[in-house]
Amino acid sequence: SQQGEEDPQALSIQEGENATMNCSYKTSINNLQWYRQNSGRGLVHLILIRSNEREKHSGRLRVTLDTSKKSSSLLITASRAADTASYFCATDAGGKLIFGQGTTLQVKP
Amino acid sequence: GAVVSQHPSWVICKSGTSVKIECRSLDFQATTMFWYRQFPKQSLMLMATSNEGSKATYEQGVEKDKFLINHASLTLSTLTVTSAHPEDSSFYICSAADRLNTEAFFGQGTRLTVV
Repeated sequence: SQQGEEDPQALSIQEGENATMNCSYKTSINNLQWYRQNSGRGLVHLILIRSNEREKHSGRLRVTLDTSKKSSSLLITASRAADTASYFCATDAGGKLIFGQGTTLQVKP
Repeated sequence: GAVVSQHPSWVICKSGTSVKIECRSLDFQATTMFWYRQFPKQSLMLMATSNEGSKATYEQGVEKDKFLINHASLTLSTLTVTSAHPEDSSFYICSAADRLNTEAFFGQGTRLTVV
């Protein structure tokens, strides 16, 4: 399969806790992106990390990239109920995005 | 960020009919657009890459005669699901990349239900 693997597939936490999602991929990449998708809706772009970057922050989000291990992680700190959604990593290898299988995050109030 | 508009947001059609979905880049020129399909509780699967003025490139397993893609201008790509069947019911999402292909911008998606 061209798709990457994400784990966990599902994650349930309490509001205020941190959530960590991992993504592994198979091919060389130009960049890796993380998206959020609320149920039945379109995608919301969260953050892009280039292949020569190791870590990037955006608000409560922290993304790491390890190209030697072909893996990335997304950390959401101080989670909120509104963070409940599915999260996908997507690798860009020449213009087209290949999506991971996604992690469904539930944040309980 | 740039805006990509997808229309319609949902459509219900009868088996055997064809449905056209439009994807427009509103404030930039998109030399490349991508079409994805997403089944319930699954990830997005790339169907095809649409290049302005040339034939689309389809991913393995995607029937090009069933999913017709036209990218006639730098701001519009269309996906036509021909002779739709219930198993074509899915969420279809387009994305557009600018000339530098630096970031993909996604449409809102189209939920197709074939009855």
